[in-house]
Amino acid sequence: SQTIHQWPATLVQPVGSPLSLECTVEGTSNPNLYWYRQAAGRGLQLLFYSVGIGQISSEVPQNLSASRPQDRQFILSSKKLLLSDSGFYLCAWSTGSGEGNEQFFGPGTRLTVL
Amino acid sequence: GQNIDQPTEMTATEGAIVQINCTYQTSGFNGLFWYQQHAGEAPTFLSYNVLDGLEEKGRFSSFLSRSKGYSYLLLKELQMKDSASYLCAVRSNTNAGKSTFGDGTTLTVKP
Repeated sequence: SQTIHQWPATLVQPVGSPLSLECTVEGTSNPNLYWYRQAAGRGLQLLFYSVGIGQISSEVPQNLSASRPQDRQFILSSKKLLLSDSGFYLCAWSTGSGEGNEQFFGPGTRLTVL
Repeated sequence: GQNIDQPTEMTATEGAIVQINCTYQTSGFNGLFWYQQHAGEAPTFLSYNVLDGLEEKGRFSSFLSRSKGYSYLLLKELQMKDSASYLCAVRSNTNAGKSTFGDGTTLTVKP
């Protein structure tokens, strides 16, 4: 069976500090991978998606970047965090864009920037 | 682009039926998903519609009308554990099948 891991679960960082959030998927090959951010009481905002190693598409201009160094590893980074980067960060995977192919979400990382 | 609208909040009574509506505007439709999200947790998949009509899964059903850009999620025999946020998501027909999510409807089930 497939599983998705994210860490850390919670993170408190000062403004201007760097960030690295990691997501790994087990039990599947060549998944589509996604990073979302969710503000309190809001829906999910797609930040980045990837269809393969080294292939990253950015959805919105921002202070963040993403990388996919291995097939089942997706990393979200920032060189200098802003207060507005606070939120609940969710990694997700899907098998493709065919029928069904719902997204499966990791447990999320709650980031607070002070 | 895509635009998705859902009611912000709904309240219903345990044992009752509730319908959560979702309207959308999209330039390339490739399916509509409903997810359930309990507070502080990740969303979990509930249902998927790509053709017009009703899909039933136990106590949950989802309906789609592509011509109207409209879907609803129907929850029957409500239980207290159904209190959660329900997210409507529309998938585009572009590469990676990325989805746009609505802001979610927070459902409160009261005894």
